[in-house]
Amino acid sequence: EAQVTQNPRYLITVTGKKLTVTCSQNMNHEYMSWYRQDPGLGLRQIYYSMNVEVTDKGDVPEGYKVSRKEKRNFPLILESPSPNQTSLYFCASRKNGLDYGYTFGSGTRLTVV
Amino acid sequence: QKEVEQNSGPLSVPEGAIASLNCTYSDRVSQSFFWYRQYSGKSPELIMSIYSNGDKEDGRFTAQLNKASQYVSLLIRDSQPSDSATYLCAVNRGSARQLTFGSGTQLTVLP
Repeated sequence: EAQVTQNPRYLITVTGKKLTVTCSQNMNHEYMSWYRQDPGLGLRQIYYSMNVEVTDKGDVPEGYKVSRKEKRNFPLILESPSPNQTSLYFCASRKNGLDYGYTFGSGTRLTVV
Repeated sequence: QKEVEQNSGPLSVPEGAIASLNCTYSDRVSQSFFWYRQYSGKSPELIMSIYSNGDKEDGRFTAQLNKASQYVSLLIRDSQPSDSATYLCAVNRGSARQLTFGSGTQLTVLP
């Protein structure tokens, strides 16, 4: 089944404790992206990647890191999480080309206390 | 001005009616447009894409694009209670990264 897989689905952590949210896609998509979704603010792009070793900032990159060492994987790293990073996170992937929309993973609900 | 604006709703329509969802965008160089549906607690799922002026139909869904007015809409014919969800408009501005989403319109279809 074609899909984007994120783990974990739920995560509660403490301020300052480094964490990684994994994302993997099996569709051979070139583009991958991370979004966060907050009430009233909609989906905001954190980082995106056009292909292996090519990443760039989205609209809200502060406090996050990403890497794209393999085409299928695009982990999101929070080096020192803070409570304002409490959010619902989505990983997504799409084929190259303007006509293609993103396929989203199931989401990771992160709470930073 | 927000890059992509949608009425937050909620929008309520009776079962069998046409639901009309609207979206405006600010960047004239935007090239392609997407409608997503998101059920509560779930991830967004792609309904339709459109990149040429005019209408595009897919089953009960019709997307309409007017680039001169910077306006894109989604019509849902014969609305069903299962269509009750939040509908997200997304705009690709032509650069590599920017698929920008509106805040969504919450639709309720009343039985």
